[in-house]
Amino acid sequence: DIQMTQSPSSLSASVGDRVTITCRASQSISSYLNWYQQKPGKAPKLLIYAASSLQSGVPSRFSGSGSGTDFTLTISSLQPEDFATFYCQQSYNTWTFGQGTTVEIK
Amino acid sequence: QVQLVQSGAEVKKPGASVKVSCKASGYTFTGYYIHWVRQAPGQGLEWMGWISPDSGGTNYAQKFQGRLTMTRDTSISTAYMELSRLTSHDTAVYYCARDDLAFWGQGTLVTVSS
Repeated sequence: DIQMTQSPSSLSASVGDRVTITCRASQSISSYLNWYQQKPGKAPKLLIYAASSLQSGVPSRFSGSGSGTDFTLTISSLQPEDFATFYCQQSYNTWTFGQGTTVEIK
Repeated sequence: QVQLVQSGAEVKKPGASVKVSCKASGYTFTGYYIHWVRQAPGQGLEWMGWISPDSGGTNYAQKFQGRLTMTRDTSISTAYMELSRLTSHDTAVYYCARDDLAFWGQGTLVTVSS
């Protein structure tokens, strides 16, 4: 099975900050890496698919990069509505999720 | 518009089974696999398996082999997830999701308690 490791597990940031979350796969997954945002009581929302493609309707302050085993989600200027938990997911071989990164208000 | 609408919350006793439904609308049901993902309280997302609505073929995570069954009824565009021999560790919100990642059900809370 492919394991996904996210870091950090949580972070505190202020509105306007640039935020970076990393995700590492236990083996190469090419660009089969997706990012989700989840708010309490809600289903995950797709932000980025195929490592760097922005899902329709998602603000351009979200971006993704990487390939192979190392990936990054960047929020260029954190907004109040962005405080949530973010998950990476590999879809190279079935699905596996990272453990999540909670972004909290500083 | 594409929608996945799941059945309501369930409370089950240890050892029982639960069957959750996921009704699809707004697209051709047989065109996309349906995945099931669960989330225990305060925990992360765990993939359980997928079903092909077209063929009925399934692929389950090793962890659930032997007590997980996914089925579908194409006549009503509905996928089902049945988990047997429930324990308290199965208390979670269960989600169905379309294979293209963008569409998820609203989640179904399954509580296992004596």
